[in-house]
Amino acid sequence: GAGVSQSPSNKVTEKGKDVELRCDPISGHTALYWYRQSLGQGLEFLIYFQGNSAPDKSGLPSDRFSAERTGGSVSTLTIQRTQQEDSAVYLCASTRSGLTDTQYFGPGTRLTVL
Amino acid sequence: QQQVKQSPQSLIVQKGGISIINCAYENTAFDYFPWYQQFPGKGPALLIAIRPDVSEKKEGRFTISFNKSAKQFSLHIMDSQPGDSATYFCAASDNNQGGKLIFGQGTELSVKP
Repeated sequence: GAGVSQSPSNKVTEKGKDVELRCDPISGHTALYWYRQSLGQGLEFLIYFQGNSAPDKSGLPSDRFSAERTGGSVSTLTIQRTQQEDSAVYLCASTRSGLTDTQYFGPGTRLTVL
Repeated sequence: QQQVKQSPQSLIVQKGGISIINCAYENTAFDYFPWYQQFPGKGPALLIAIRPDVSEKKEGRFTISFNKSAKQFSLHIMDSQPGDSATYFCAASDNNQGGKLIFGQGTELSVKP
């Protein structure tokens, strides 16, 4: 069966450009999470979706970061005016129902901001 | 504020030995404690998880020990194998906070043949 997929796998961009990262969760999973993995900060929570709504955006580091989810499925994380400190691996995870359930992670998108 | 502290940062174990990784948490509302294994270039994968109503859970060579009063939990890998070489993350979540995972800083395990 298909797992969580993310695209692109790698993204190199110039400082100041906008980027969009995509996550396709496991079919039927209602909850979706975005995390960021960087050398200095480990794995950090960014945002959580239950269906199409985002009850918890507390981990988004600045207003340059936004995310949406449509049709209760695909999610897009957008970073505007990228900065070098945004360089990291962005991971997406999904669960059947959210709450304390097994989170299945995608392979991540490695973002490099030059 | 780091809510889950993990140690050691790195660990070298001989094949057949026992690997032990420790985590401590602060938030008493946490009610789910998973361990994730991550290989280079891959996303984390759930290894084993425990809830605070039990003190130990074993799955094959992997055991979680949980001490609620001390707010600590640990992962034991018995008969460690070179294929276990990976980065291990402990995590915790609160059912009332949507299940978002708060991760420890990770332990890079190397099992020498």
